[in-house]
Amino acid sequence: NAGVTQTPKFQVLKTGQSMTLQCAQDMNHNSMYWYRQDPGMGLRLIYYSASEGTTDKGEVPNGYNVSRLNKREFSLRLESAAPSQTSVYFCATTGPKRGTQYFGPGTRLLVL
Amino acid sequence: AQSVTQLGSHVSVSEGALVLLRCNYSSSVPPYLFWYVQYPNQGLQLLLKYTSAATLVKGINGFEAEFKKSETSFHLTKPSAHMSDAAEYFCAVSPTGNQFYFGTGTSLTVIP
Repeated sequence: NAGVTQTPKFQVLKTGQSMTLQCAQDMNHNSMYWYRQDPGMGLRLIYYSASEGTTDKGEVPNGYNVSRLNKREFSLRLESAAPSQTSVYFCATTGPKRGTQYFGPGTRLLVL
Repeated sequence: AQSVTQLGSHVSVSEGALVLLRCNYSSSVPPYLFWYVQYPNQGLQLLLKYTSAATLVKGINGFEAEFKKSETSFHLTKPSAHMSDAAEYFCAVSPTGNQFYFGTGTSLTVIP
């Protein structure tokens, strides 16, 4: 089992460009999450999806959109990237045992 | 509102010494509490979690944490630090099991 996978691992964008970060899980979990990690700020929730077909805003949703394509996949889209979106992005899932989150390896995004 | 405070963004200990990483939380309901570890260029891994059973929780790699409701604390300890413990540690709280709130992290350095 691959667990939680993310693509790409690293991306450089110019201001105003768009891109989609992909996340897939083979753990059959219902809940999926997108976080961003910035130095000194810990992890902040961007969006989450409690189940297929539902999404909810987290703490920092502005500038992002998400799609829960199916149970396995949860994508994060930046329509018009800004330098403030330079960060490391983590996808995570939560299993049936309350609270255990499983994280992907992260996507490092640099917006110039 | 839920929040997590980790005192000390950087902690240094000598190899073999006690590790103590502090975490205080605020939550409007009895929470589930977690410690995660992040090694360089990796995602987060669960160290241990408190789920309202025993107040002293044992995790992987010799770590443990004690839930103290009166102090709203969930400090992480390890009796004897090892070089491989050098990493970033995050405390997190989940009041509902759907959303998770992370502290800003503590970077642990182990001095040979």
